[in-house]
Amino acid sequence: GQNIDQPTEMTATEGAIVQINCTYQTSGFNGLFWYQQHAGEAPTFLSYNVLDGLEEKGRFSSFLSRSKGYSYLLLKELQMKDSASYLCAARYTGGFKTIFGAGTRLFVKA
Amino acid sequence: GAVVSQHPSWVICKSGTSVKIECRSLDFQATTMFWYRQFPKQSLMLMATSNEGSKATYEQGVEKDKFLINHASLTLSTLTVTSAHPEDSSFYICSARDIRNTEAFFGQGTRLTVV
Repeated sequence: GQNIDQPTEMTATEGAIVQINCTYQTSGFNGLFWYQQHAGEAPTFLSYNVLDGLEEKGRFSSFLSRSKGYSYLLLKELQMKDSASYLCAARYTGGFKTIFGAGTRLFVKA
Repeated sequence: GAVVSQHPSWVICKSGTSVKIECRSLDFQATTMFWYRQFPKQSLMLMATSNEGSKATYEQGVEKDKFLINHASLTLSTLTVTSAHPEDSSFYICSARDIRNTEAFFGQGTRLTVV
C-alpha cells in the first residue's frame, strides 16, 4: 500500500506559524499535493511538489524531500479562517492515482 | 483553475433504489477522472479511476457491480450507486485531470443520504 501519515490534530494561535508534516511511501512516487478542506466542502488545492525543496506561495509554503518520503506544509501569519483540515496526498505512477492521508485538523485560536 | 461540475450536490433516496451522480469538466477535456468517498471526519478514500473510453479501475474493497462508473466522453463521468443502503450514505467527490495539468480539479461533491 501507500500509507500517508500526518498528525490528526494541531492547535495554533492566530498570527503564529504552524508546520504540518506528512510522510509517504516512496515506491512509485510521482508528486505530493496539499489540500485544504473545510467541513462539508470539497478540498481546495494549495500546492503541488514534485522536486525537492521549498515552494512558497503567499502565507503557505510546501517542502518536499523525495529521498526521505517527507513533506511539510508551513502556514504563516495564521488567521482564524485557516481553521480547517489539511490533506496530504501522494500521486503514484501507474494511472496517476492520488492517495490521501487522513488529514490534519488545524484549530486556530485567538 | 479549471472547473469541474458535480451534480446533484445532495440527494436523499430510499433504500434499494439507485442514484446517479454526474461529474463534468466544463472547460477542459478530462482524460482521467477519479471518484472518492468521504465519511464524516475521515479523509477521502479513492474508489476508482476511470479513463475515457475504457473500463474503470476499482480500488481493493470497492464493489464494481455496486458502484458503476461510466466515462463515455472526455467531459463526463458518472457514478451510479445501485441498490443503495444506509451504509452507502456518504460524501462522494469526483476529480478530473487532463494531460496538460499536474493537478486534478475537484467537483463540489455530492452528499448522499439513504433512508
